[in-house]
Amino acid sequence: DTAVSQTPKYLVTQMGNDKSIKCEQNLGHDTMYWYKQDSKKFLKIMFSYNNKELIINETVPNRFSPKSPDKAHLNLHINSLELGDSAVYFCASSQRSRGDEQFFGPGTRLTVL
Amino acid sequence: AQSVTQPDIHITVSEGASLELRCNYSYGATPYLFWYVQSPGQGLQLLLKYFSGDTLVQGIKGFEAEFKRSQSSFNLRKPSVHWSDAAEYFCAVGGGGGNKLTFGTGTQLKVEL
Repeated sequence: DTAVSQTPKYLVTQMGNDKSIKCEQNLGHDTMYWYKQDSKKFLKIMFSYNNKELIINETVPNRFSPKSPDKAHLNLHINSLELGDSAVYFCASSQRSRGDEQFFGPGTRLTVL
Repeated sequence: AQSVTQPDIHITVSEGASLELRCNYSYGATPYLFWYVQSPGQGLQLLLKYFSGDTLVQGIKGFEAEFKRSQSSFNLRKPSVHWSDAAEYFCAVGGGGGNKLTFGTGTQLKVEL
């Protein structure tokens, strides 16, 4: 059973397009996250939701809009894609009451042409 | 602001040799500390974590790490490296309770046979 899953695994698109990445966790966790890993492997938090409420919103362009329909899902929609958005996007989840042990999904490699 | 420094970008060791990966952190309170491993094209897997208590923590795959508050360090060790340990290793610090993880820039480990 996959704990944290993401779709799609690969996403290749043109500049200016709008795309979404989906994330689901079956661990029963109450907190979910989006991280961006750039070409130099640097990982940076983008957003975090706790019980569908946004609790972390780093300095991310407002072209990026997360949505959490329920505790088990966290989606990321990106408008007007730019070349610099090319990266690997990781979803993660944790149980807030048990600290920050975060479980990561396999990642979505986004390539903007 | 919290931060993590991994001073070694690349490390190469021979199979069977011992390994130590360095990690220094900056955090205003008692930190939650983590080591994650990322194999090529994969997501991040938690190796071990420190929340409190015994400063020497054991993890999976034979890894251990020691929390040294006086040195603000959380170095990862393994007594005998296997070829399958070749991967990218990330140290991370968090504040607990759904707070964000701040990652170091990673150390790429190569294992010579």
